[in-house]
Amino acid sequence: DTAVSQTPKYLVTQMGNDKSIKCEQNLGHDTMYWYKQDSKKFLKIMFSYNNKELIINETVPNRFSPKSPDKAHLNLHINSLELGDSAVYFCASSQVGRGLTEAFFGQGTRLTVV
Amino acid sequence: AQKITQTQPGMFVQEKEAVTLDCTYDTSDPSYGLFWYKQPSSGEMIFLIYQGSYDQQNATEGRYSLNFQKARKSANLVISASQLGDSAMYFCAMRELNTGNQFYFGTGTSLTVIP
Repeated sequence: DTAVSQTPKYLVTQMGNDKSIKCEQNLGHDTMYWYKQDSKKFLKIMFSYNNKELIINETVPNRFSPKSPDKAHLNLHINSLELGDSAVYFCASSQVGRGLTEAFFGQGTRLTVV
Repeated sequence: AQKITQTQPGMFVQEKEAVTLDCTYDTSDPSYGLFWYKQPSSGEMIFLIYQGSYDQQNATEGRYSLNFQKARKSANLVISASQLGDSAMYFCAMRELNTGNQFYFGTGTSLTVIP
């Protein structure tokens, strides 16, 4: 019973392709996030959704598009993949409004663009 | 300004010794939470410990404790009796009530436990 699950765990693809990463949480949280972790391990927020509504949209190329069909899912679609997109992408969820609780992370998706 | 600063890129500690990982933060929000996460080489992010800005006592979770010094805006993680399995990256993070949706992360500290 994984709390936050993302698929796939590994993704190897060629430049120019379009790919999606799926994320689902079964914690009943109302907020979900996408973070990118680069080769230096720096974690950068990309997007945040609260109850299916986009809350945070950091400066990321518009080739990245999040989609939240419901509050338990937040998928990340990437168009025209570039070499610089290679990184580990983490999905996370938390509950807003019940204090400052922790975020729960998925296991990460290691994206390699060749 | 950086919201979270971790000044130690790498740390070494002898097995069974205690180690302190530094974290300072910057916020004007009186209500905030501070978190530590562990990322082993397998890659997952594991939540370790939480400290709220209004908490009077330092948080403790097993061998982990958080040395919270509010006036200095520091939230150092103390790991007692280090074990080989503690070797990992450690991230300090903050969440503010008024911008409650976002977690700000530091750059991490790589801890190596030496047998």
